[in-house]
Amino acid sequence: GENVEQHPSTLSVQEGDSAVIKCTYSDSASNYFPWYKQELGKRPQLIIDIRSNVGEKKDQRIAVTLNKTAKHFSLHITETQPEDSAVYFCAVSGGNTPLVFGKGTRLSVIA
Amino acid sequence: GAGVSQSPRYKVAKRGQDVALRCDPISGHVSLFWYQQALGQGPEFLTYFQNEAQLDKSGLPSDRFFAERPEGSVSTLKIQRTQQEDSAVYLCASSLAGSPRPAGYTFGSGTRLTVV
Repeated sequence: GENVEQHPSTLSVQEGDSAVIKCTYSDSASNYFPWYKQELGKRPQLIIDIRSNVGEKKDQRIAVTLNKTAKHFSLHITETQPEDSAVYFCAVSGGNTPLVFGKGTRLSVIA
Repeated sequence: GAGVSQSPRYKVAKRGQDVALRCDPISGHVSLFWYQQALGQGPEFLTYFQNEAQLDKSGLPSDRFFAERPEGSVSTLKIQRTQQEDSAVYLCASSLAGSPRPAGYTFGSGTRLTVV
């Protein structure tokens, strides 16, 4: 089955700096790659997703890049703010298979 | 409804007790998923429905776990003879699309199960 590795497990950045979280996956048939943000005690919320037919997608301060050849994708957050502090999960799906999640990255933005 | 609704929000069960967790997906969403999230971990897949059909239950950890969605809307996850290792947050998610085109999931707030 699909195996998703996420790094780093924790990340601390100064407010205004950029944060990058990386995920690798094992199944070359995977074609959908969402990112979720989960604040303490709350539900995971979809923040951005990308499909295998594009290499990059951007939404304001958040971007995701995908390298299908190398089977890895990354979340980029620019101009970080304290409210970006949360746990971020990458996930992978092969279309008719349920999402497989990474173990998460705890991001702390220090004011 | 406006979102995915789960009940109860919290459940404390004595070891050996049976529990039932309910999920009300977004109206019209075809796909419904159950995940288990242990403290500090990512969601782990349990089972998946498309309408009333349970298409994948490979993630259910034992035969004590059972899920149903009889009318293709509300779903119930039942855990029999609960054990301490069952303590976790149980997340339900729904998605508009069926296979093969995946779409983002909308998660409920989860049920935090504590087995004592």
